[in-house]
Amino acid sequence: QVQLKQWGAGKLKPSETLSLTCAVYGRTLSGYYYSWIRQPPGKGLEWIGEINHSGNTNYNPSLKSRVTTSIDMTKNHFSLRLTSVTAADTAVYYCAIRSPVGYSFDYWGQETLVTVSS
Amino acid sequence: QSVLTQPPSVSGAPGQRVTISCTGSSSNFGAGYDVHWYQHLPGTAPKLLIYGNNNRPSGVPDRFSGSKSGTSASLAVTGLQAEDEADYYCQSYDSRLSGSVFGGGTKLTVL
Repeated sequence: QVQLKQWGAGKLKPSETLSLTCAVYGRTLSGYYYSWIRQPPGKGLEWIGEINHSGNTNYNPSLKSRVTTSIDMTKNHFSLRLTSVTAADTAVYYCAIRSPVGYSFDYWGQETLVTVSS
Repeated sequence: QSVLTQPPSVSGAPGQRVTISCTGSSSNFGAGYDVHWYQHLPGTAPKLLIYGNNNRPSGVPDRFSGSKSGTSASLAVTGLQAEDEADYYCQSYDSRLSGSVFGGGTKLTVL
């Protein structure tokens, strides 16, 4: 059974860097894309970006200049960094595994609330 | 403004059938990319409900079904139950954005 467990700082000040990590249990990291998705308060889901086991990345154009994803095959982890955060980055963040065929998000981590406030 | 357009809310009485629409464009549905649907309950992770337009993962009741035609898709829920009250999101791939896109979400209320 595949499980994702995520963690990271929940409170940030403007201009700081958001950093989240997601551990994958029950499968190796080969073959899928490892994604980050967020939901601002009262709004819908927003895809942030993704990385595969080879290190190939894709990012939401609206966030591309501030986003970096990385993967650690030895630890079965993948991570998100979002620089220069503002209040607009306040959201619930999810890690997820995307199928390489059809692009569905088959597995999701539990939510992490990140609040940006001075 | 979401790339995929959903109605903000739908409602129905227990036992009834409701549908949730999702409208895309030539760069996602119209380009042949599949639609996927998620059920999202507050405080929990979204759950994949329908993948590849009309396929149910193991464990999803057959009361849930999906379809796609042209640049539109829909999710149907028959035999509504109180436990179906949740937010529902459609999702696809968009070639113009080179990434995944979601609808704005639809809140299903069971009256």
